[in-house]
Amino acid sequence: ETGVTQSPTHLIKTRGQQVTLRCSSQSGHNTVSWYQQALGQGPQFIFQYYREEENGRGNFPPRFSGLQFPNYSSELNVNALELDDSALYLCASSLGQGMGTEAFFGQGTRLTVV
Amino acid sequence: AQSVTQPDIHITVSEGASLELRCNYSYGATPYLFWYVQSPGQGLQLLLKYFSGDTLVQGIKGFEAEFKRSQSSFNLRKPSVHWSDAAEYFCAVGPYETDKLIFGTGTRLQVFP
Repeated sequence: ETGVTQSPTHLIKTRGQQVTLRCSSQSGHNTVSWYQQALGQGPQFIFQYYREEENGRGNFPPRFSGLQFPNYSSELNVNALELDDSALYLCASSLGQGMGTEAFFGQGTRLTVV
Repeated sequence: AQSVTQPDIHITVSEGASLELRCNYSYGATPYLFWYVQSPGQGLQLLLKYFSGDTLVQGIKGFEAEFKRSQSSFNLRKPSVHWSDAAEYFCAVGPYETDKLIFGTGTRLQVFP
């Protein structure tokens, strides 16, 4: 089991609402990446935060936004929820980038939009 | 375009049989290659990774993978499968170990006693 924790574990929202998902990174890790995993698909990269700054973004609209706090925990915010946003959202933390570092994944938050 | 293809959506094997899961990638530069496993309701666990050096990589839980540059493949193998290996397996590629990983669509492994 990794030291990455995500909350909540499950969530049901209505189309058009806003949602905030939280990730507590492993101790000492300063980088957090978020992924969306739709049912039957592989995870897709949403964005990454390094030392509180966005450090790369995948092909997701601006209504997907994030934050990283001084303690390196992170939030993923999704506005104007759509049915297609239903997915497992995974957070991964790591210590920087490059050789010798490894991303550790949390168990995910299952979001259902109805 | 950068991509990862896992051609087998679902594989069924008997316990004790050998296993090979296929992965092909398309990537412009020298990539990091990974295999992750995901059990139901769980996050992703890294099985093994390759960046350079010996093309046969050993991982956890008795898994290994072989990088073949000429075939753009990174297939995962295990000589004898255990019932606890039943899970979803994802191949991924990226420029670093932590940056913007591109995942395949996964292969679901079912193990029969």
